[in-house]
Amino acid sequence: AQSVTQLDSHVSVSEGTPVLLRCNYSSSYSPSLFWYVQHPNKGLQLLLKYTSAATLVKGINGFEAEFKKSETSFHLTKPSAHMSDAAEYFCVVSDGGTDKLIFGTGTRLQVFP
Amino acid sequence: DTAVSQTPKYLVTQMGNDKSIKCEQNLGHDTMYWYKQDSKKFLKIMFSYNNKELIINETVPNRFSPKSPDKAHLNLHINSLELGDSAVYFCASSQEGGISNQPQHFGDGTRLSIL
Repeated sequence: AQSVTQLDSHVSVSEGTPVLLRCNYSSSYSPSLFWYVQHPNKGLQLLLKYTSAATLVKGINGFEAEFKKSETSFHLTKPSAHMSDAAEYFCVVSDGGTDKLIFGTGTRLQVFP
Repeated sequence: DTAVSQTPKYLVTQMGNDKSIKCEQNLGHDTMYWYKQDSKKFLKIMFSYNNKELIINETVPNRFSPKSPDKAHLNLHINSLELGDSAVYFCASSQEGGISNQPQHFGDGTRLSIL
């Protein structure tokens, strides 16, 4: 069965410094992986997705993620944090063959001025 | 233009009542979903419908009954509300069901509080 583990429940960074949100996945075959962001009192917005094309995936708002099969990881990064990046981030794997999404427990990103 | 819209945004009601949440998408998508997000932000799928047909039903109590009058709408009716039903309920849609790499588009959620 597919699953994802988000290794940090909270991450705090200063504005202008790099962001790293960690995610490991478990899948018995080539997975589809996503990162979604949830701002307070809002729904989830897709940041980026990996679907077995390029291993380095670029998303919106300067975010990117790298699929590393050997490490079963799909970490989300951004070179320079902005105050507006403060939100909850979810790593998600798709239950292959269906459209059922399996969510990680979320990482809350705080950005300090 | 709102792509996936849910109403109401907030719902406060008493235990034992029956309530409905409505969802509409104007993206022309074939598949719609309901998710439940608990107080710890954990998200879990409840149902999915593809072109008005039930595809996924994740062992949700039968007090929850989804209804899809057409492929642009998926409503959620809840009977005999319980304290544990307090959560944020999200509606979502995607272009094609059964294809694992299709992103899903989410509404802003309905915050249900049971007194």
